[in-house]
Amino acid sequence: GAVVSQHPSRVICKSGTSVKIECRSLDFQATTMFWYRQFPKQSLMLMATSNEGSKATYEQGVEKDKFLINHASLTLSTLTVTSAHPEDSSFYICSASGQEETQYFGPGTRLLVL
Amino acid sequence: SQQGEEDPQALSIQEGENATMNCSYKTSINNLQWYRQNSGRGLVHLILIRSNEREKHSGRLRVTLDTSKKSSSLLITASRAADTASYFCATDGDDSWGKLQFGAGTQVVVTP
Repeated sequence: GAVVSQHPSRVICKSGTSVKIECRSLDFQATTMFWYRQFPKQSLMLMATSNEGSKATYEQGVEKDKFLINHASLTLSTLTVTSAHPEDSSFYICSASGQEETQYFGPGTRLLVL
Repeated sequence: SQQGEEDPQALSIQEGENATMNCSYKTSINNLQWYRQNSGRGLVHLILIRSNEREKHSGRLRVTLDTSKKSSSLLITASRAADTASYFCATDGDDSWGKLQFGAGTQVVVTP
């Protein structure tokens, strides 16, 4: 299947700093990328949908100014958690889809905000 | 918001046994997908079943879909210790433009 990578795999930062997470589709062009967050022992919650070259669409309750999403190319989307706080600590997972219906997921990024 | 409900929440079986988990959803769908997640890792796509399909097989996996009951089941036959993981169903609604709504997941433990 298609491969999606995320970087970094884990990050620890101080409260108030910003963290950027990259999501790349390695062997296909992703017209759409999705960002999810997952708390321990819970399911995935969709945060936003990003299409290449356009603004991201955020789910209800997700602050667009806090979670900045950029989808500058067909293989790269970035999520920046701005002014991170301890409650933003979570597992962030991206997925990408191309021509097919299947979404391919990245390995996730574990964020810990101290 | 989560659309799917999955049961059971947890399942413990021995190697060689079959594991069955169910997923129910609320709105009409284009397709339903099953994913596996090992602890602390990303999701692995297992199988996709479209709304006009009733059953699909992939190796030791069998998925059924009943759109009249808005439910799906995933059967893993002859389970192995390596099947230990959380399993999630996800629905792609017919008006959601590819956005997936995930169920709560079933945690499966297969003991040797």
